[in-house]
Amino acid sequence: GQNIDQPTEMTATEGAIVQINCTYQTSGFNGLFWYQQHAGEAPTFLSYNVLDGLEEKGRFSSFLSRSKGYSYLLLKELQMKDSASYLCAVMGNYGQNFVFGPGTRLSVLP
Amino acid sequence: NAGVTQTPKFRVLKTGQSMTLLCAQDMNHEYMYWYRQDPGMGLRLIHYSVGEGTTAKGEVPDGYNVSRLKKQNFLLGLESAAPSQTSVYFCASSYGGLAQSKNIQYFGAGTRLSVL
Repeated sequence: GQNIDQPTEMTATEGAIVQINCTYQTSGFNGLFWYQQHAGEAPTFLSYNVLDGLEEKGRFSSFLSRSKGYSYLLLKELQMKDSASYLCAVMGNYGQNFVFGPGTRLSVLP
Repeated sequence: NAGVTQTPKFRVLKTGQSMTLLCAQDMNHEYMYWYRQDPGMGLRLIHYSVGEGTTAKGEVPDGYNVSRLKKQNFLLGLESAAPSQTSVYFCASSYGGLAQSKNIQYFGAGTRLSVL
């Protein structure tokens, strides 16, 4: 079966650091992707992890542990514009097999 | 460069009516997808296509049909709309294949559909 879990909502303060977790149990694994989705808009790609470890892209970093079925997205120096939903998605053994998690809605407060 | 374009952006249907949602991409992508997004449930895959002339079922295909007659277009049809199909529909495309970098999906702006 396919199961991906994320916290429903998180709140953080402008300038702070926040970690959004994603746990997964899927029948195949070929990468984990993170997308950002502002309210009323389309998802946009942030990052992906294939191997264990941390991938850094500016203020955003993503971590993967394949043995634990666990990933997190780390957002540093939070800005108001980071208020959005963050979706993790697992790519299966072939490119067409993508399963998205329910998303985490992040609110950044002044 | 328009990317992925969906039409229409909004639509209200009565139960039993039919409609077609159009997705067009200008990135020469092989793979195209249709998702629906409901509160608390994330994106769920309806149907997908790995190339012109091919289609396949996703997680929630019942009540929908699709066609990919041209590489750049992917159509989603509702033959007899039901209130349970009230949702936001997103189309996405990617180059496809095994490489992760080729499977970054680019999404259209979405179609908000209400079935009364």
